[in-house]
Parts: sequence; C-alpha cells; structure tokens
Amino acid sequence: DVKVTQSSRYLVKRTGEKVFLECVQDMDHENMFWYRQDPGLGLRLIYFSYDVKMKEKGDIPEGYSVSREKKERFSLILESASTNQTSMYLCASSPFISQGNNEQFFGPGTRLTVL
Amino acid sequence: AQSVTQLGSHVSVSEGALVLLRCNYSSSVPPYLFWYVQYPNQGLQLLLKYTTGATLVKGINGFEAEFKKSETSFHLTKPSAHMSDAAEYFCAVSESGVGGGADGLTFGKGTHLIIQP
Repeated sequence: DVKVTQSSRYLVKRTGEKVFLECVQDMDHENMFWYRQDPGLGLRLIYFSYDVKMKEKGDIPEGYSVSREKKERFSLILESASTNQTSMYLCASSPFISQGNNEQFFGPGTRLTVL
Repeated sequence: AQSVTQLGSHVSVSEGALVLLRCNYSSSVPPYLFWYVQYPNQGLQLLLKYTTGATLVKGINGFEAEFKKSETSFHLTKPSAHMSDAAEYFCAVSESGVGGGADGLTFGKGTHLIIQP
C-alpha cells in the first residue's frame, strides 16, 4: 500500500521566514510533485521531480524552490514566506511509466498559514 | 494543451438521490482520465480511472464514470447518495506518453458535493 507522508498537518509561520515542507514516499516512486490547493482554483502544480536531484517548474513556481537529495524525499522551500502563500500544500508521487496512465498518490496535505 | 472543466463548483443532492458530477476535457491525444475525492482535511484519494478498454469504469464506494469520446466527457455518477459522500471531487486528465508520467496531471477546479438529509 502506497504511503505518502508530509511532515506537518498544520503550520503557522511569519512573513519573511524560511519554510520547509517535507514529503516522504515509501514505494520507490520515481516521480514526485508539489501542488497548492486554493478554494475555487483547484490544484496547481508548483514543481515536480522525475529523479534524484532533478526538478522541473510547474505552473506556479515563483516564490518556491525544491530539493530532492534522496529518491524517497521531496522538499518544498519557501525562501521568504509571504501572506499570499497561505494555502493547503499537497505532495504526490507516481511510478515511472511508459504511457500516460500516471495515477498519483497523495499525502494528507499541510495547511500553511503565513501571518 | 490539455484542460479540464468541471461544471458546478457546488452540487447539492438529497440523500438517496442520483449523484451526477460533470467533467469535460480537452486533449490532443487519447486521454487518460481520473476522478479523485477529497474528504475534509485530507489528501486526495483515487475514486476511479479510465485508461483504455471499457468506457464504463467502476470505482470505489459505488461510483462509476463513462468515457464519451464524442462528447469529450467523463461524468461521475452514483445511483444513490449517502451522507458519507459529502466531499470535494476532482476530475483530472493526463495525455503524456513521454517522460514517464513525470509532468503530472491537469486537474479541474473541483466540485463540492453537498448531501441534504
């Protein structure tokens, strides 16, 4: 059974702080993703990674960076948190596949509030 | 580019009534289609998916969806709503045949399903 875990369910930070969100998956998946979820906007892709040390920008990468030093772990970094980054952050993973059947497995989410 | 449209940000049905959540997609190649459900304060859970083969797909919790290529639709249905079905539902599409699926899914904006007692 695939398990994706996120380091915190709820997080409160102050404007300007550096914030780390951690995600770990236990199924040896190659692909990992970070999304943010906002009411009325659905899920928007921030960054993804298809291999260790590899990363690609998604639709809304501004203000974020990522790190993937180990296959099972994918970190999202907010270099200087701002109030407009208050959101629900979802991590997901999927195996490498040759067709587009790329079902993703999601973590429980981290609700981040920036004051 | 692929896109997903979910008609109705909120849908309200009575307990025991038919549930119908609409999803239309655009894709330049045959798509792979997914429905996910999100219960309050939780991550997304896969309900069902269409890849190839039978166009009527059955999922968990009594849900099913039918892929209609001519209508570019993948509507989600359940014959009889239950209170426990109250949640947010997301339709998603993937058309990537390259990159091992790494470029991810495109999601609709979600439909909040409300069940009236």
